[in-house]
Amino acid sequence: GENVEQHPSTLSVQEGDSAVIKCTYSDSASNYFPWYKQELGKRPQLIIDIRSNVGEKKDQRIAVTLNKTAKHFSLHITETQPEDSAVYFCAASTRVTGGGNKLTFGTGTQLKVEL
Amino acid sequence: EPEVTQTPSHQVTQMGQEVILRCVPISNHLYFYWYRQILGQKVEFLVSFYNNEISEKSEIFDDQFSVERPDGSNFTLKIRSTKLEDSAMYFCASSRPGTDTQYFGPGTRLTVL
Repeated sequence: GENVEQHPSTLSVQEGDSAVIKCTYSDSASNYFPWYKQELGKRPQLIIDIRSNVGEKKDQRIAVTLNKTAKHFSLHITETQPEDSAVYFCAASTRVTGGGNKLTFGTGTQLKVEL
Repeated sequence: EPEVTQTPSHQVTQMGQEVILRCVPISNHLYFYWYRQILGQKVEFLVSFYNNEISEKSEIFDDQFSVERPDGSNFTLKIRSTKLEDSAMYFCASSRPGTDTQYFGPGTRLTVL
């Protein structure tokens, strides 16, 4: 089955700096890669996603890149703010035969943005 | 904006008891999922459900687990005889046809004593 590795496990940056989180996946059949932000005790919130036929996608201060050949994808947050502090999870999606898709999550990155 | 809802927010039970966790997916979604997250760990897939059938399940989803869509709006996860290691946050998610985007509910924190 799919296996997703995520690094680093913790990341501390100064406000205004950039943050980069990296993930690798193992199953070449995975075709969709969402990123979720999870604040303490809350639900995972989708912040950006990318499909396997796209190399890069940007939404304001957040961007995601995908290297399908190398099977890795990254989240880039620019001009970080204290409210960006949270746990970020990457995921890889594989289609399910009976319908829908299955998300395999990485182990999470605790991002702390310091003033 | 419609959201997935879950009840209860927190469930405490004794080991060996049955629990039912409830979810109301977004109304025009047809694919439903359960995930769990043990405290401090990653989110893990349990089961996917479509057209009143399980479409895939993980190794975690053994005979003690079952899912049901008892009516047009609810989606439930039942654990027949809870174990201490079932203590976790359980998230329901749903997606609509033609997309892979899954929307998560707020979760039910299950504590097994």
